Amino acid sequence: QSLLPQPPSASGTPGQTVTISCSGSSSNIGGNTVNWYQQLPGTAPKLLIYRNSHRPSGVPDRFSGSKSGTSASLAISGLQSEDEADYYCAAWDDSLNGYVFGIGTTVTVL
Amino acid sequence: QVQLVQSGAEVKKPGSSVKVSCKVSGGTFSNYAFTWVRQAPGQGLEWMGGIIPFFGVSNYPQKFQGRVTITTDESANTAYMEMSSLKFEDTAVYYCATKGDSGSFDHWGQGTLVSVSS
Repeated sequence: QSLLPQPPSASGTPGQTVTISCSGSSSNIGGNTVNWYQQLPGTAPKLLIYRNSHRPSGVPDRFSGSKSGTSASLAISGLQSEDEADYYCAAWDDSLNGYVFGIGTTVTVL
Repeated sequence: QVQLVQSGAEVKKPGSSVKVSCKVSGGTFSNYAFTWVRQAPGQGLEWMGGIIPFFGVSNYPQKFQGRVTITTDESANTAYMEMSSLKFEDTAVYYCATKGDSGSFDHWGQGTLVSVSS
């Protein structure tokens, strides 16, 4: 299973900004759009960001995504306790002819 | 609002097969593409394959080719994932999701725990 590197953990105090990186290659992030998923403890994943930087209806604007070259980032501003979750990036990989996920980042609110 | 409801937990023996269902409500079934993702205990997400019912096309990563079959039944508004030759390491929660035009997995089922145990 091919996985995109992400920092395993990130943390911040309430109100701070946390940024999560996701690195890839020209066959995945470099050539395709990136999506981000939030998985709260014990629940199914939820789409958080699609097409690099777009938020589905209902997702707070505290969450923002960006992409540059073969890397992508998710920023959570105004961190809240309810943001404690695992976050995964994902993209289509042309070489694998399939979707690849990041290894996941656990966000902790201190 | 589209909702995906999956079948209940399963306990299977090594070498057997399992078929997980995913019933869709709140939308036009034929408009959706479906994908399946699994998550082993304490691990991350793994894509298992997908299907576009309108075109009758499915695709799978090499790891699951020949062992996983994804199908749909429009009359039942249901998608299915069948895995054969189960191994202990197939113990995981299996999720179905709808796939949007941008490749995002938009709506998710609640997950189905499949335990492989002798």
